[in-house]
Amino acid sequence: AQSVTQPDIHITVSEGASLELRCNYSYGATPYLFWYVQSPGQGLQLLLKYFSGDTLVQGIKGFEAEFKRSQSSFNLRKPSVHWSDAAEYFCAVGFRNTGNQFYFGTGTSLTVIP
Amino acid sequence: EPEVTQTPSHQVTQMGQEVILRCVPISNHLYFYWYRQILGQKVEFLVSFYNNEISEKSEIFDDQFSVERPDGSNFTLKIRSTKLEDSAMYFCASRLGGNSYNEQFFGPGTRLTVL
Repeated sequence: AQSVTQPDIHITVSEGASLELRCNYSYGATPYLFWYVQSPGQGLQLLLKYFSGDTLVQGIKGFEAEFKRSQSSFNLRKPSVHWSDAAEYFCAVGFRNTGNQFYFGTGTSLTVIP
Repeated sequence: EPEVTQTPSHQVTQMGQEVILRCVPISNHLYFYWYRQILGQKVEFLVSFYNNEISEKSEIFDDQFSVERPDGSNFTLKIRSTKLEDSAMYFCASRLGGNSYNEQFFGPGTRLTVL
């Protein structure tokens, strides 16, 4: 069965520090990969996506993610975190062979300290 | 920028009552979805809808659930007889469609509390 794993439930970083949020998926088909961010009381906002081509993708708000097929990973990174980045981050995966739905990870809650 | 909207933002109901959650997808989108997120758990797929019919549904989407696109703009999720375990955040999403796999755009969610 398809699954998406975000191993870190909660991460705390200092403002200005670098950030990496992990995401792994399990399934053999070619994935479509997404990162969404959810601020309190808000919906899910797309940060970036990967369909094909260059495995390093750039997103909004200074985020980037790298698809590593050999590791079945799509980790999200940001070189310098801002206090406004505090939110819940969700990795989502879609597969060409399984129709429309997305499979979500459990999310990583990011706290940014001054 | 066009966005998906959902009403109400918070719905409180008694167990056994029917609820209808409403969504207005982005106007030129063709695919519509409902997901739910029980507190502290992952976002789970419920159902997808295309061309006025359900295209895919999960095991969660049993006979208590139904979806409808009653007019050209609204997309509703009905829960006929709510249970305590239906308490969750419900997200509506829409997708443009076409040949490429476009991202899904999510609404802000409706928090359903069943007492």
